[in-house]
Amino acid sequence: DAGITQSPRHKVTETGTPVTLRCHQTENHRYMYWYRQDPGHGLRLIHYSYGVKDTDKGEVSDGYSVSRSKTEDFLLTLESATSSQTSVYFCAISLAGSTDTQYFGPGTRLTVL
Amino acid sequence: KNEVEQSPQNLTAQEGEFITINCSYSVGISALHWLQQHPGGGIVSLFMLSSGKKKHGRLIATINIQEKHSSLHITASHPRDSAVYICAVDEGRAQKLVFGQGTRLTINP
Repeated sequence: DAGITQSPRHKVTETGTPVTLRCHQTENHRYMYWYRQDPGHGLRLIHYSYGVKDTDKGEVSDGYSVSRSKTEDFLLTLESATSSQTSVYFCAISLAGSTDTQYFGPGTRLTVL
Repeated sequence: KNEVEQSPQNLTAQEGEFITINCSYSVGISALHWLQQHPGGGIVSLFMLSSGKKKHGRLIATINIQEKHSSLHITASHPRDSAVYICAVDEGRAQKLVFGQGTRLTINP
């Protein structure tokens, strides 16, 4: 299995609080992705990174920001959490992007009350 | 933006049956992925293909680029194959994937 971890694995927070999710990889893969998975919507891309300090938006980026200061870490921040951001968040990594194998982290279940 | 449709959305079968899950997309692609998600959430990559056919054990994936269609087949299905199967296609130079909504497969003993 690819070395990819997410922390925390579960979090309950209140509306309006900031939340940061961490994705850590030990594979030295260039591409890192943050997805959310909701019933009826499947997996949707929030943000992705194609290198240190290089990031771009996905289809559901509003309300989220990301940072990648090191190859191994990709952080997802909810500046002010809302109930609509209750979801399961998955990080994924890939050596060469969308035409290469994707390796997924175990997921983080976030509940915003 | 590519639209990805999977069918069926739900499939229940008996152990041993031959299973087919379909994926159609609207815009030409460079690569198509099949993923598996078991209850409990972990997502695993099964195949990535850009043409032809790939086989791994009892799983076979095919793609027809002209028809913008891919199929995932499972031979001699087993209850442990019960999972959600997800199709995803790349967005070309953007290096992003677009996902189908998944097919929930249940194999009864």
